[in-house]
Amino acid sequence: EAGVAQSPRYKIIEKRQSVAFWCNPISGHATLYWYQQILGQGPKLLIQFQNNGVVDDSQLPKDRFSAERLKGVDSTLKIQPAKLEDSAVYLCASSRGTSGEKLFFGSGTQLSVL
Amino acid sequence: QQQVKQSPQSLIVQKGGISIINCAYENTAFDYFPWYQQFPGKGPALLIAIRPDVSEKKEGRFTISFNKSAKQFSLHIMDSQPGDSATYFCAATFETSGSRLTFGEGTQLTVNP
Repeated sequence: EAGVAQSPRYKIIEKRQSVAFWCNPISGHATLYWYQQILGQGPKLLIQFQNNGVVDDSQLPKDRFSAERLKGVDSTLKIQPAKLEDSAVYLCASSRGTSGEKLFFGSGTQLSVL
Repeated sequence: QQQVKQSPQSLIVQKGGISIINCAYENTAFDYFPWYQQFPGKGPALLIAIRPDVSEKKEGRFTISFNKSAKQFSLHIMDSQPGDSATYFCAATFETSGSRLTFGEGTQLTVNP
């Protein structure tokens, strides 16, 4: 089965610029997650979608971050404007949706904000 | 809020040795405790998981020990191999979260040949 696809793999931008990341989850997975992983730290949940609805976005900095999940499949995460502290790996994950399910992670997008 | 605390931050063991990583949690509502393994440039991948109704789970060389009263759980890697060198994350979630995970800070394991 194909895994979670993410693009781009790397992105370098200057502060105050905007950036967007794309994720295609495993087919049939109802739940999609975006995590932020700062170097040397564990992943931190930014937003969780169930189909195309938001389940949890309590840790999403909504003044600069936005996310959407189109037709309950692909998802994009946008940062506008970016700050230096946004430098991190942005991981997308998906699961079938019920509790205790295995999360499948993509390889992530490494963002450097200069 | 740091709900899952992990130690040590880094660990070096010799090939064939036992690697032990510890985690402690605060939220008693957590009811599923997975461990994820992450290699450089890759996303985390599920290694092994446990629910609080059992005290131990073993899969091959990997064992989770769980102490509900102490709110602690640990990962033991027996006969550690150089290929086990990676970053390990403990995590926790609860039933109504839809598998949403809270991760520990990670342990970078190095197994020397």
